[in-house]
Amino acid sequence: QKEVEQNSGPLSVPEGAIASLNCTYSDRGSQSFFWYRQYSGKSPELIMFIYSNGDKEDGRFTAQLNKASQYVSLLIRDSQPSDSATYLCAVNPPGDDKIIFGKGTRLHILP
Amino acid sequence: DGGITQSPKYLFRKEGQNVTLSCEQNLNHDAMYWYRQDPGQGLRLIYYSQIVNDFQKGDIAEGYSVSREKKESFPLTVTSAQKNPTAFYLCASSFLGTGGTEAFFGQGTRLTVV
Repeated sequence: QKEVEQNSGPLSVPEGAIASLNCTYSDRGSQSFFWYRQYSGKSPELIMFIYSNGDKEDGRFTAQLNKASQYVSLLIRDSQPSDSATYLCAVNPPGDDKIIFGKGTRLHILP
Repeated sequence: DGGITQSPKYLFRKEGQNVTLSCEQNLNHDAMYWYRQDPGQGLRLIYYSQIVNDFQKGDIAEGYSVSREKKESFPLTVTSAQKNPTAFYLCASSFLGTGGTEAFFGQGTRLTVV
């Protein structure tokens, strides 16, 4: 069973601090990793994707991938109240035509 | 504008009725997916399709049916056999490629049994 695990939270972070969200996956051969943000009552929105080991930065967001340890993380710098949402980690294992989602981590940014 | 469109946004179903949720995309994506999301829960895959006239069951296909007669369209029917259909239904699409590509979502349909 291919799995993607996330801490459900809620994770509370003060405004202006760094929020760190983590995700582990079971299929060692996975190559594609995605982070989605979902506001309450809305559909998920893709915010980051990463394919290679290391860091990928886009504005205030940084995705970090460590294939040896089978985890992917999302850092949000200078957290804003508008970052309060559920963050879904998703993985596309090799040879699999499905995208597997974690259950998401709820993030609360405290003003 | 390119995108993926779900309709209706809200849908009410009486006990014993079949209802069909629409999903259309103009992104020229190969793959299309249907997910179900219950309050406070993650996404559960119902059905997916990689090519016209072909589709596969996901983790919770019982009580649902789909068709893929056109590349752009992937409607989902919630049948009377689905005993607990009240949920948020999300359609997504993506290209197919080595290692996979990102999926994009429609705005969702909220189905309520009355």
